[in-house]
Amino acid sequence: GGIITQTPKFLIGQEGQKLTLKCQQNFNHDTMYWYRQDSGKGLRLIYYSITENDLQKGDLSEGYDASREKKSSFSLTVTSAQKNEMAVFLCASSLGGGNYAEQFFGPGTRLTVL
Amino acid sequence: SQLAEENSWALSVHEGESVTVNCSYKTSITALQWYRQKSGKGPAQLILIRSNEREKRNGRLRATLDTSSQSSSLSITATRCEDTAVYFCATHSNNRIFFGDGTQLVVKP
Repeated sequence: GGIITQTPKFLIGQEGQKLTLKCQQNFNHDTMYWYRQDSGKGLRLIYYSITENDLQKGDLSEGYDASREKKSSFSLTVTSAQKNEMAVFLCASSLGGGNYAEQFFGPGTRLTVL
Repeated sequence: SQLAEENSWALSVHEGESVTVNCSYKTSITALQWYRQKSGKGPAQLILIRSNEREKRNGRLRATLDTSSQSSSLSITATRCEDTAVYFCATHSNNRIFFGDGTQLVVKP
């Protein structure tokens, strides 16, 4: 089996600050995803990438940048942190990006904005 | 409006009882997944049911899909305390996945 590692586990930043979250997977999966999960809510897609150096916007991409530096890693940048975006950010990967691909999730990074 | 949503915000049962979580959705789908998320962890897929399937089982779990009423259910039999989690349905459409807000299930000893 494989594992998805997200760093840091907890991230505290100031309003307006640029913050970067990192994700690594050793499944050798092609597709990687970043989701945001607000308290008590479902997941909303921020960005996904179907291969190295590819980037696709999700439903919530405004205010975020992403980078797929290599197949195993996918980073997310909050360009200017806002208090209303305190949430858990979840990274996932899947073997393909099609309709039946199972996504495997990391444990998340909890963002707090002061 | 949400494309997928569970019909209960929270459910509570005693260990050994059965429980059903329901989900409704609003678009044409190719598949529907049920995920479980334990506290402090990421979601994990339980069952994927394709649009041409009506039922799928995985151990104590049974998922049904009714495309005419655009609804799905996840039943858990002989519940255990470790089944305590948030259960999400997620619909697949046009190579995208849309998650509901989840149902919190508490299984008491």
